[in-house]
Amino acid sequence: ILNVEQSPQSLHVQEGDSTNFTCSFPSSNFYALHWYRWETAKSPEALFVMTLNGDEKKKGRISATLNTKEGYSYLYIKGSQPEDSATYLCAPSGTYKYIFGTGTRLKVLA
Amino acid sequence: GAGVSQSPSNKVTEKGKDVELRCDPISGHTALYWYRQSLGQGLEFLIYFQGNSAPDKSGLPSDRFSAERTGGSVSTLTIQRTQQEDSAVYLCASSLGPGGSDTQYFGPGTRLTVL
Repeated sequence: ILNVEQSPQSLHVQEGDSTNFTCSFPSSNFYALHWYRWETAKSPEALFVMTLNGDEKKKGRISATLNTKEGYSYLYIKGSQPEDSATYLCAPSGTYKYIFGTGTRLKVLA
Repeated sequence: GAGVSQSPSNKVTEKGKDVELRCDPISGHTALYWYRQSLGQGLEFLIYFQGNSAPDKSGLPSDRFSAERTGGSVSTLTIQRTQQEDSAVYLCASSLGPGGSDTQYFGPGTRLTVL
């Protein structure tokens, strides 16, 4: 798995706005897709892992979808809060190896 | 329970010196990974351990980099003759198994600065 792309690179939104990010990846040799949140001065924290085409996962105000046939995943945040400010990383994985994208840096303005 | 720990949290060294970075994975996790993030870059895979074996060392940038894992637990990443381009945050992660759907749990990282 090569060439994982995330867009946008960075994003500023107002508190209460909803937003979404994209992760695109080659669909060959795909096993799973992981989303992580990485806050400054903390460890990356796992949000979701998805394996099947059409998978949707939700945790509170954050949700994600997966399209393995076309090689993309979306992460949605509904009603953004300042504490959502972080870098969001996606990582498609093969049988053991993750390939991380460069992330989308989100800043939520109060 | 305890998460993944790494030490030191910060390391400043002079060019040409050797450094050792330590990772204590979550107890019972058989898979262990080392990554690094250089300034402005994404997370770069370095090496993967399954137990004490390293089936994939393909991400190690040069022969100055080596890693070992003992007792299926603690891992040490050693960088010999450090160069300024080695400056980065080095992250360790562990997972219950090596499966691609297993969640990796990350440590807080070691920030290495080579002067």
